Amino acid sequence: GDSVTQMEGPVTLSEEAFLTINCTYTATGYPSLFWYVQYPGEGLQLLLKATKADDKGSNKGFEATYRKETTSFHLEKGSVQVSDSAVYFCALGPGGSYIPTFGRGTSLIVHP
Amino acid sequence: DTGVSQNPRHKITKRGQNVTFRCDPISEHNRLYWYRQTLGQGPEFLTYFQNEAQLEKSRLLSDRFSAERPKGSFSTLEIQRTEQGDSAMYLCASSFLAGGRGHEQYFGPGTRLTVT
Repeated sequence: GDSVTQMEGPVTLSEEAFLTINCTYTATGYPSLFWYVQYPGEGLQLLLKATKADDKGSNKGFEATYRKETTSFHLEKGSVQVSDSAVYFCALGPGGSYIPTFGRGTSLIVHP
Repeated sequence: DTGVSQNPRHKITKRGQNVTFRCDPISEHNRLYWYRQTLGQGPEFLTYFQNEAQLEKSRLLSDRFSAERPKGSFSTLEIQRTEQGDSAMYLCASSFLAGGRGHEQYFGPGTRLTVT
C-alpha cells in the first residue's frame, strides 16, 4: 500500500539556520503531496502542497518540490525562527484513488 | 467560517463502555474524514464521507468502530465496547472536492479518548 517516510526527529536548530526535513513516498502513479504543521497546542494546518511532478509548493518561507524521479517532497526553509518550532507532517492524498496517508511527523525545535 | 469543531475535546471512559464523538465540518465542505492519532505518530486514516455517502470504511480498525454522516453535515464516530488500546486522539478533517487534485484538508482540534 501507499506509505510516507519522514526523517526522525527531533531536529534541533539555532535561529536563522537552514532547515531540511526529508520526506519520501511510495505510491502508484502521482498523488498530490502535502506538508502540514502542528504548532504546540493547536490542530494540524496546511503548510503547502504540490499536485503534480516538478511543482513547487511554498508558504511562509517554506518550500518543497515534487520530485517524481526520487519520489520525494523534502521541506526546506532558508532561515528558521523560534516561532517555526512545531511538528511537521508530510502526506499524500486525498484525491483520485488515494487514501490520505501521513508520515509520523518530525519535531522541529529552534533555539534563539 | 468557524473552522472544524469536535466535541467533546476530552473523553474518559471505562473499558467496555460505548463512546460517540461528533464532528462539525466547515459548512460548504462536502468531504469529511476521520483519523486516529497516537503519540509520536501521524494521523491514521479511518474513513471518509462525500456528502452523506461513506465511500471508504475498510480502514476502520474493527467492527466496533462505525461512523455516520446522516444529512451530509455533521458526522459521528462511535466506538463500542471500548478497550484500553482505543486510547488516542481522534481527529476530524473536512475538505471541498470540486474535481481536480490536491484538495487540502482542514483539521479540527481532536477528541482525546482515555479508556481506563
